[in-house]
Amino acid sequence: DGGITQSPKYLFRKEGQNVTLSCEQNLNHDAMYWYRQDPGQGLRLIYYSQIVNDFQKGDIAEGYSVSREKKESFPLTVTSAQKNPTAFYLCASSTSGREHQPQHFGDGTRLSIL
Amino acid sequence: AQSVAQPEDQVNVAEGNPLTVKCTYSVSGNPYLFWYVQYPNRGLQFLLKYITGDNLVKGSYGFEAEFNKSQTSFHLKKPSALVSDSALYFCAVSDIGFQKLVFGTGTRLLVSP
Repeated sequence: DGGITQSPKYLFRKEGQNVTLSCEQNLNHDAMYWYRQDPGQGLRLIYYSQIVNDFQKGDIAEGYSVSREKKESFPLTVTSAQKNPTAFYLCASSTSGREHQPQHFGDGTRLSIL
Repeated sequence: AQSVAQPEDQVNVAEGNPLTVKCTYSVSGNPYLFWYVQYPNRGLQFLLKYITGDNLVKGSYGFEAEFNKSQTSFHLKKPSALVSDSALYFCAVSDIGFQKLVFGTGTRLLVSP
């Protein structure tokens, strides 16, 4: 069954700690995306990647980092520089970075501060 | 810059009645428009999209959307609401030549029995 798997479902971060959110897809999609969702603000784009070993900053990249070493994987690291990391994080993918392709989403990771 | 507005935070409708969730957009060229639905603690599910052609677009679960270029709107509709349609609905837009989707703030749909 093809889809996007995000793990863990819940994550807690201590002060000064970096944490990494996993995103794996078996849809053979070229493009992958990370969004942050806060109540009442919709989704905001953090980073996106159209191809392996290449990625671009989205609208709110500060305090986050990504890598794209494999087509299937696009992990997101929330660094200690992100002062307000509490949010619901969603990973998505699409067949290409073309603007008319719908994006497919994972079920998210909820990050909270300890 | 691309933008999309969902003017209603919440829409309430009785089961069996028609529903409309509103969306207006702003882009520099011709838009690509999308509707997604989100259930609690889940990711977004794609419902439908407008690329070009007929102004009435049909999608999943009996939903449809009407594209109106003169009013820059893309309202989501369903002839007969179900309690199971209760969820958070997002409108999104991308501009030609841009890979990024811009999402609205979402509209919570509550269908009462």
